[in-house]
Amino acid sequence: KAGVTQTPRYLIKTRGQQVTLSCSPISGHRSVSWYQQTPGQGLQFLFEYFSETQRNKGNFPGRFSGRQFSNSRSEMNVSTLELGDSALYLCASSLGTVYGELFFGEGSRLTVL
Amino acid sequence: DQQVKQNSPSLSVQEGRISILNCDYTNSMFDYFLWYKKYPAEGPTFLISISSIKDKNEDGRFTVFLNKSAKHLSLHIVPSQPGDSAVYFCAASAGGGTSYGKLTFGQGTILTVHP
Repeated sequence: KAGVTQTPRYLIKTRGQQVTLSCSPISGHRSVSWYQQTPGQGLQFLFEYFSETQRNKGNFPGRFSGRQFSNSRSEMNVSTLELGDSALYLCASSLGTVYGELFFGEGSRLTVL
Repeated sequence: DQQVKQNSPSLSVQEGRISILNCDYTNSMFDYFLWYKKYPAEGPTFLISISSIKDKNEDGRFTVFLNKSAKHLSLHIVPSQPGDSAVYFCAASAGGGTSYGKLTFGQGTILTVHP
């Protein structure tokens, strides 16, 4: 079956701009989680959506937001970009109802200049 | 506050030998643990997991051991192969229920397997 798809794969923005990243989960998965990976902080949890509701939120400022649509596809948005937002943003999907593996996409590499 | 720690940034082993990657955690609420492997420019790939009710789980060349009293888990790869060279992340989840999609990751260990 098709894996988790993230778009765009690479993007460059300037400080102050905003960005929207998209994630299409594996068919049948109702949970979509977002993670930020940076060299200094490793992989950090941003938020999780389950059946269109935000179920968990990590310790990130309000500039980071997300949503999930009825088909489980998810978007995350970062407003007023800062240099420190440069990172690999990873989306992961799962059933969301039992413990199990999270399936990760290849990520969206954001560079803020 | 780093709740999941991988204290070895890197590990180098010879092909055919055992690789042992270690992970410590501080949060007693963690009850499900996973190991992921990651290549550059790719997303993490799931390797193996273990529930807190078990102390060992095996899958082919990969075995994960959990020592709850020490809050320590380890991943054993036997025998190690050059294709195993990657960054390995330990991850933990707590509380079930509404937390199935939330993982806390360690900083990762770079494993290099030499031919």
